[in-house]
Amino acid sequence: GAVVSQHPSRVICKSGTSVKIECRSLDFQATTMFWYRQFPKKSLMLMATSNEGSKATYEQGVEKDKFLINHASLTLSTLTVTSAHPEDSSFYICSAASTGTSGSYEQYFGPGTRLTVT
Amino acid sequence: GDSVTQMEGPVTLSEEAFLTINCTYTATGYPSLFWYVQYPGEGLQLLLKATKADDKGSNKGFEATYRKETTSFHLEKGSVQVSDSAVYFCALRGNNAGNMLTFGGGTRLMVKP
Repeated sequence: GAVVSQHPSRVICKSGTSVKIECRSLDFQATTMFWYRQFPKKSLMLMATSNEGSKATYEQGVEKDKFLINHASLTLSTLTVTSAHPEDSSFYICSAASTGTSGSYEQYFGPGTRLTVT
Repeated sequence: GDSVTQMEGPVTLSEEAFLTINCTYTATGYPSLFWYVQYPGEGLQLLLKATKADDKGSNKGFEATYRKETTSFHLEKGSVQVSDSAVYFCALRGNNAGNMLTFGGGTRLMVKP
């Protein structure tokens, strides 16, 4: 159980275009989803936190108009990189969080999406 | 604010060697502590966790003990395998309203046959 998928796993796009990345919790409902960015050989940087039906909360320094997050349902969140540029090339990872039947709160991570902007 | 510091890699070991990856943290109150593993080209997988002082998390031969007195959560394994080669992240979840995870910088482990 507790599987999180991301689509696509890899995407190459041209500079100036927009790219949408989907994050789905496959077998549970996620009250909160997180989006991270990971630079090569670096740790994860939290970009934003989103709760279903409300606006995402962005971390300092993350442009909300460039990285659009939509959390339309308890199983789906999308990250759209608008007008992508080569410096947006990175590995984007989402996680979905829920409180299990035992009451423990857990985050489950997706497999990541490699974005390359040419 | 909360922070996690872990030893820089890469750590290179021979198969069946003993592994220790150090992790220390700074946080207020009583955070939960985690170790995640990331295999090449993949996302993060939870390896083990501990939610209170003196708890020991264990999984797949890996262990880590929550030491509040030293604010540490060092990862150990008695005999590593080539398949353990990956990047390991120490993380904490503090008592913040957002339930956010704070990650260490990651430690790359390379195990040679």
